Amino acid sequence: DVKVTQSSRYLVKRTGEKVFLECVQDMDHENMFWYRQDPGLGLRLIYFSYDVKMKEKGDIPEGYSVSREKKERFSLILESASTNQTSMYLCASIHRGFSRANEKLFFGSGTQLSVL
Amino acid sequence: SQQGEEDPQALSIQEGENATMNCSYKTSINNLQWYRQNSGRGLVHLILIRSNEREKHSGRLRVTLDTSKKSSSLLITASRAADTASYFCATDEGNQFYFGTGTSLTVIP
Repeated sequence: DVKVTQSSRYLVKRTGEKVFLECVQDMDHENMFWYRQDPGLGLRLIYFSYDVKMKEKGDIPEGYSVSREKKERFSLILESASTNQTSMYLCASIHRGFSRANEKLFFGSGTQLSVL
Repeated sequence: SQQGEEDPQALSIQEGENATMNCSYKTSINNLQWYRQNSGRGLVHLILIRSNEREKHSGRLRVTLDTSKKSSSLLITASRAADTASYFCATDEGNQFYFGTGTSLTVIP
């Protein structure tokens, strides 16, 4: 089965720090996504990538950047962490074929980030 | 922007009862999917229904889709305490998936 691994389950950082969240998948998926999840707001897409070195903004990209240097790894970067970026961060990947009929996302376990 | 909206936000039932949660969305979709999330963990795919399907079953799960009303429902039959989790619908649109705010299900033993 597909495995999506996020480097940390819990992370505590200080305001202004640069933060790296790492995500690795082992099934050669082209597409990878970063979401943040906040109570009452569901999952909101930050960035996604459909190929190496390719990236697209999601709904809430402000304050974030991403890096996709290798197919299996998609990194989320908080350039200068702020308290309103305290959240659960979820990485996901998917294989996109010719037909969209049966494609499903595979998620990592999530990183709970606290910015103090 | 979010596509799916789940209803109810929270649901509490006794073990053995059925649980029904609903999802509404806004635009055309390739498919609609349901995911489950245990507290503090990632989401796990449960079931997918294509836009040209009306009903689908998987074990104790039954999903319906009404594209004319832009709505879907997830039925969990004979619930168990282990079904306690949050459930999200997700619509597959273009390159992106849009998730709703989820239904928190509590099954009381």
